Amino acid sequence: DTAVSQTPKYLVTQMGNDKSIKCEQNLGHDTMYWYKQDSKKFLKIMFSYNNKELIINETVPNRFSPKSPDKAHLNLHINSLELGDSAVYFCASSQDFGTDPLPQHFGDGTRLSIL
Amino acid sequence: GQNIDQPTEMTATEGAIVQINCTYQTSGFNGLFWYQQHAGEAPTFLSYNVLDGLEEKGRFSSFLSRSKGYSYLLLKELQMKDSASYLCAVRDQGNQGGKLIFGQGTELSVKP
Repeated sequence: DTAVSQTPKYLVTQMGNDKSIKCEQNLGHDTMYWYKQDSKKFLKIMFSYNNKELIINETVPNRFSPKSPDKAHLNLHINSLELGDSAVYFCASSQDFGTDPLPQHFGDGTRLSIL
Repeated sequence: GQNIDQPTEMTATEGAIVQINCTYQTSGFNGLFWYQQHAGEAPTFLSYNVLDGLEEKGRFSSFLSRSKGYSYLLLKELQMKDSASYLCAVRDQGNQGGKLIFGQGTELSVKP
């Protein structure tokens, strides 16, 4: 009964490769997010989708392309991986009711290591 | 700019009370959240404040003063399992474009 699940949990690959991370939530939420957590533990928003529509696109290289086939899924594709992309990537979801700030629920993270 | 500050590390003793402070300067404000993150795991939601005052949830309480740009998380009756990183985050807008801006986290070590 996992709420927010992302795969794979670990991803080790070589520089220059293209890889994807998948995320699914079964909470019925309408907003999903991707965060990057670097080695200093800073969690930084990358993208947010609401009902399959891109809402937030922080200053992220265009090698990163999110795709939301439906409101329960938000995948992240990364082209031409670089050493600096090594981090933990977290998917999250929340239910946004207008201005009410409701908590976000996080997946377990994908640990991406670039060789 | 957007800035959220919290101490990098704190140490406390099992059974004691610890207060983790967070100050923020953001372009907008629509709630302050506290998350707990154990090493190698996902952040889990603890508490949030929208209005000034104290919110209590069992052993955890969170306080907010919007005029001072200040919050704290209070943990009572500390247990060894409370050793974790505690993340303060501010939501900057009330609409769907609102995003969480995180501090760097406070690493709490609970000693016997």
